[in-house]
Amino acid sequence: EVQLVQSGAEVKEPGESLKISCEASGYSFTNYWIGWVRQMPEKGLEWMGIIYPGDSDTRYSPSFQGQVTISADKSITTAYLQWSGLKASDTAMYYCARPRIVGATLSAFDLWGQGTMVTVSS
Amino acid sequence: DIVMTQSPDSLAVSLGERATINCKSSQSVLSSSNNKNYLAWYQQKPGQPPKLLIYWASTRESGVPDRFSGSGSGTDFTLSISSLQAEDVAVYYCQQYYSTPPHTFGQGTKLEIK
Repeated sequence: EVQLVQSGAEVKEPGESLKISCEASGYSFTNYWIGWVRQMPEKGLEWMGIIYPGDSDTRYSPSFQGQVTISADKSITTAYLQWSGLKASDTAMYYCARPRIVGATLSAFDLWGQGTMVTVSS
Repeated sequence: DIVMTQSPDSLAVSLGERATINCKSSQSVLSSSNNKNYLAWYQQKPGQPPKLLIYWASTRESGVPDRFSGSGSGTDFTLSISSLQAEDVAVYYCQQYYSTPPHTFGQGTKLEIK
């Protein structure tokens, strides 16, 4: 089955670091980009960035550049989103998603993970 | 960045009636090289990830009921639901995926039953 399975919910304190994961299965992981989308509580969708696991080429939204790091480990078909110093404003649901067209960034997302809720609170 | 603006923010429609959601981009998302509009529509129900409904502005994703249709070109787009069903209650988002990222989303339109 083609799917993206994300790691579980996290509760962290401000200033802590965090790395959440998105494990892909059922398709050629290195041939499709994987993106990350943020959804703050009761808010809309925000495109954060995207990575091509084949060569780790990564593109960030200017809004998130320098705030997060996107990476991938093709040996275990897993993409990651990480923070080095969380803020309360990072509290959100985070989704990974795969474009529908192989090898393309210019494509709608047709495959989504179930989401990882990150709560940052003291 | 391309700004996507949806209207209305919320909408209440009677069962069996037509629902129409609009999406406007701050610049054209029509490619002159292939004549395709780089515009998608998603449906998000509470507690679920978004689901792709429409891509290339008017191509229905496999398995999406044919009561959903997309239209428009350039900067102005519409998602229509021809005969609203109870299961269509959701928030709907448009997204442009034209040129350099970020591939921005509209703010969302909440669709309810009247």
